[in-house]
Amino acid sequence: EDQVTQSPEALRLQEGESSSLNCSYTVSGLRGLFWYRQDPGKGPEFLFTLYSAGEEKEKERLKATLTKKESFLHITAPKPEDSATYLCAVQAGDSNYQLIWGAGTKLIIKP
Amino acid sequence: DTAVSQTPKYLVTQMGNDKSIKCEQNLGHDTMYWYKQDSKKFLKIMFSYNNKELIINETVPNRFSPKSPDKAHLNLHINSLELGDSAVYFCASSQEYTGREQYFGPGTRLTVT
Repeated sequence: EDQVTQSPEALRLQEGESSSLNCSYTVSGLRGLFWYRQDPGKGPEFLFTLYSAGEEKEKERLKATLTKKESFLHITAPKPEDSATYLCAVQAGDSNYQLIWGAGTKLIIKP
Repeated sequence: DTAVSQTPKYLVTQMGNDKSIKCEQNLGHDTMYWYKQDSKKFLKIMFSYNNKELIINETVPNRFSPKSPDKAHLNLHINSLELGDSAVYFCASSQEYTGREQYFGPGTRLTVT
């Protein structure tokens, strides 16, 4: 069964303290892996799409990387405004393009 | 100039009632979705429409019925509401049916008492 597991469930960092969030997946042929950000009371906001192992994408303080079994979202020198829940989703090769979502990592950046 | 909008934002109702949630997107996208986000924060796809045609219909009770009057609108009607239907429902859209880069609405928090 296709599955996405994110860790840790929650992460508290001081402002400027870099870290990484993990998204491990088991799917029958990866079509794409997606990172979204969700603020409280709002819908998810698209961040990145990764298609193949070795691929990397960057946006401001965020960098997403992909291997054959997992993806990392690296956050460099985070600021309080980076606080949010970060969601990972995958699209399986034999799917009808639907996304399988992880439960997210709640990131809290303290000033 | 909201991209994907949903109404209402909050919906509190009693068991057995029938309710609808409306969704509109002004992005010119071809594909729209309904998701359910439960208390554990998992997002689960319910339905997807591409150019007004149903393309994803996951295993949801047939009390849930989507309706797409045109490409820009996808409404969700729920009959005979049950306690377990309480959740946040999100509408989303994407440029095409491949589902990449989806844009989400603000969500509708449904509480069934």
